Amino acid sequence: AQSVTQPDIHITVSEGASLELRCNYSYGATPYLFWYVQSPGQGLQLLLKYFSGDTLVQGIKGFEAEFKRSQSSFNLRKPSVHWSDAAEYFCAVVSGTYKYIFGTGTRLKVLA
Amino acid sequence: EPEVTQTPSHQVTQMGQEVILRCVPISNHLYFYWYRQILGQKVEFLVSFYNNEISEKSEIFDDQFSVERPDGSNFTLKIRSTKLEDSAMYFCASRRDRGGNQPQHFGDGTRLSIL
Repeated sequence: AQSVTQPDIHITVSEGASLELRCNYSYGATPYLFWYVQSPGQGLQLLLKYFSGDTLVQGIKGFEAEFKRSQSSFNLRKPSVHWSDAAEYFCAVVSGTYKYIFGTGTRLKVLA
Repeated sequence: EPEVTQTPSHQVTQMGQEVILRCVPISNHLYFYWYRQILGQKVEFLVSFYNNEISEKSEIFDDQFSVERPDGSNFTLKIRSTKLEDSAMYFCASRRDRGGNQPQHFGDGTRLSIL
């Protein structure tokens, strides 16, 4: 069965530091992968998606993610974190009737 | 930019009561979803809906749950007899058309609290 693993429940970085959030997936074919961000009390906002082609995808707010089939990974990166990036980040893979299977999320804390 | 809207933002209900959560998907979208997120846990799929019928449902979506698209704009989730464990954030999402590469657009959620 398809699944998504986000190994890091919490991550704390200093403002201006680089960030990498890990995501590993289990899927038989070429996956459709997404990263969403959830600010407190808000819904899920799409950051970026991957479905084919270039394995390095750019998203909003300066985020990017790299698809690595050999590692079954789709890690999210940002070169310089801003305090407003503090939120919870979810990786998701499409399954079945195009529903999402989400990872458990990574909560990002940004230190001033 | 068009948004998915959900009402109410917070619903408090006594155990055993019926509750209806409402969603207005983006107007030209054809595929609709409900997810829930129990506090501190991951977002879980409940049900998908297309062409006025359920496409897929999870094990969570038992006989106490139902969905409906009563008119051209609303998409509702009904829980007939609420239980304490139904307390969660419920998210509605919609997608424009077929294709796994089409992202789902989420509403801000309804926080359901069962007393």
